[in-house]
Amino acid sequence: DTGVSQNPRHKITKRGQNVTFRCDPISEHNRLYWYRQTLGQGPEFLTYFQNEAQLEKSRLLSDRFSAERPKGSFSTLEIQRTEQGDSAMYLCASSLAVAGGGETQYFGPGTRLLVL
Amino acid sequence: GDSVTQMEGPVTLSEEAFLTINCTYTATGYPSLFWYVQYPGEGLQLLLKATKADDKGSNKGFEATYRKETTSFHLEKGSVQVSDSAVYFCALSENNDMRFGAGTRLTVKP
Repeated sequence: DTGVSQNPRHKITKRGQNVTFRCDPISEHNRLYWYRQTLGQGPEFLTYFQNEAQLEKSRLLSDRFSAERPKGSFSTLEIQRTEQGDSAMYLCASSLAVAGGGETQYFGPGTRLLVL
Repeated sequence: GDSVTQMEGPVTLSEEAFLTINCTYTATGYPSLFWYVQYPGEGLQLLLKATKADDKGSNKGFEATYRKETTSFHLEKGSVQVSDSAVYFCALSENNDMRFGAGTRLTVKP
């Protein structure tokens, strides 16, 4: 069983550098989500895709953040000009859209980012 | 906007004790409600869910009932085990994005 995978698992970077994270969803899932989780908090929604279309973006997603899902399969999340406040766990989840909503999202292990 | 408020932790219980973790929500429509669990060193896993009022979700001895009249989805377990030690997150989903509570850390001591 291949669940949601994320790479890298850990990333340490210096302030001002760009970083890119990758998420591979469960293969038959058509929805893919990005979240950010800081210590002691629950995950906060960033954005989601249905197939290759980015349908919603949170106001948390500043113009330094960009996400893509070019072929409706894997997704990348890029952060440009990183700031220390970007240090967090970045979580990816995927789901299969069902009529009426309420589908379960399956989460990856996350990428922990530390900006020095 | 939609939001979830859950009981602050940490919660420490002895093995076989009864567990309740409170969760209340605010939503404009009719969300689906979830409990996710995060065991030490692991990712978030779905524990149980309920998609409409009066539904009861259950799994691994845990239960939660979707109460529309009190906008609540409290998590309960009759007899906790050491292996239940984890962080528990209440969440709702209404418009394709999921809103999480801050999490409640549970420690069960033998």
